[in-house]
Amino acid sequence: AQTVTQSQPEMSVQEAETVTLSCTYDTSENNYYLFWYKQPPSRQMILVIRQEAYKQQNATENRFSVNFQKAAKSFSLKISDSQLGDTAMYFCAFMKQGPTGNQFYFGTGTSLTVIP
Amino acid sequence: DAGVIQSPRHEVTEMGQEVTLRCKPISGHNSLFWYRQTMMRGLELLIYFNNNVPIDDSGMPEDRFSAKMPNASFSTLKIQPSEPRDSAVYFCASSSLPLVRGKTEAFFGQGTRLTVV
Repeated sequence: AQTVTQSQPEMSVQEAETVTLSCTYDTSENNYYLFWYKQPPSRQMILVIRQEAYKQQNATENRFSVNFQKAAKSFSLKISDSQLGDTAMYFCAFMKQGPTGNQFYFGTGTSLTVIP
Repeated sequence: DAGVIQSPRHEVTEMGQEVTLRCKPISGHNSLFWYRQTMMRGLELLIYFNNNVPIDDSGMPEDRFSAKMPNASFSTLKIQPSEPRDSAVYFCASSSLPLVRGKTEAFFGQGTRLTVV
């Protein structure tokens, strides 16, 4: 079975500073995808960034970047120049492809507060 | 596409009543997921379907919960009878297989906030 672990239930960061959210996962698969989703108070789940396991290069999306360590099964999210709008719950997710579809597994989330 | 559509957005019901949550996935997606979100347990996978067929329902809490997907464009999650501990936000999500090594993700609906009193 696949498991996704986020060991930081809550975090805070000063506006304009950098923060890193941790995520580890356990799988025997070799080909898979990893994601970070953001859930603001509006409740909508929004994709922040995606990483394909076969790619060695870490994914980046503007102020968001990941540190993907495949051997260590680690997938952390770095948010640079934090903004008040980054305040949200962040979920790490693992996806593997089955023969007829995808299977997603989520961590328990990290609540991030950006302090003005 | 309008995205994943869930209804209702909010539901308040009395203990013992039947509750039905609805989901319309994105057209063309072949995987559909039902999740439950609570403060204590985070985002739990209840069940998922591939090509309208239930693949894994091990996350369904008990026999009071059931889910169906009669066709590619509609799914329901039913709770009968409902209990106060079922109060949570229920999300539906859909996904498609990536083209070779293309992009894929889970697209979520807005969720249904269920309150059982």
